[in-house]
Amino acid sequence: SYVLTQPPSVSVAPGQTARITCGGNNIGSKSVHWYQQQPGQAPVLVVYDDSDRPSGIPERFSGSNSGHTATLTISRVEAGDGADYYCQVWDSSSDHYVFGTGTKVTVL
Amino acid sequence: EVQLLESGGGLVQPGGSLRLSCAASGFTFSNYAMSWVRQAPGKGLEWVSVISGTDGSTYYADSVKGRFTISRDNSKNTLYLQMNSLRAEDTAIYYCAKGTAMIRRPFDYWGQGTLVTVSS
Repeated sequence: SYVLTQPPSVSVAPGQTARITCGGNNIGSKSVHWYQQQPGQAPVLVVYDDSDRPSGIPERFSGSNSGHTATLTISRVEAGDGADYYCQVWDSSSDHYVFGTGTKVTVL
Repeated sequence: EVQLLESGGGLVQPGGSLRLSCAASGFTFSNYAMSWVRQAPGKGLEWVSVISGTDGSTYYADSVKGRFTISRDNSKNTLYLQMNSLRAEDTAIYYCAKGTAMIRRPFDYWGQGTLVTVSS
């Protein structure tokens, strides 16, 4: 089965840039989506199709995808960006959605 | 405004059954694929199942295949998850999530979840 690997945690100071990676075999050939989950809340879609943002999501959230790694970048990090982040793909070989292992972003 | 409201969670014994519901509003329900996603306490997200909005195609995670059944009633704008032969490892918050017209697309709206606890 397809596996997506994320770092368990990322720490960043306010105003700096956070980068969250999502590793998967040839992930660059898939469309990657990213979700933010605040404590006790449902996930929210923040980036889809590698780099597109849903309406209402700040431009500070951006994404890229190439080779075996997709990356979610949060620029000018704010305290409210502290949350868990998950990448997601559709694995057409198994007809399954797959979520990454999740990354906890801590704003120092 | 899109709203998804799950219900039906609760405490059930191992081997028991439960049916979850997700009442949808604010969009043309029949046009969209719908999924169930779960999250065990303190753990990450796990996709459970998806049902197409067009032809009713369904797909399941290996961990629930043969035990869970996803269905929908477009006349009632409601998504269901019938869960049988429940195990302790099925304990989780279960979210319903709205996709797009096609399966394999991201989830743009989520409900607030319903907690299922499997324990004796």
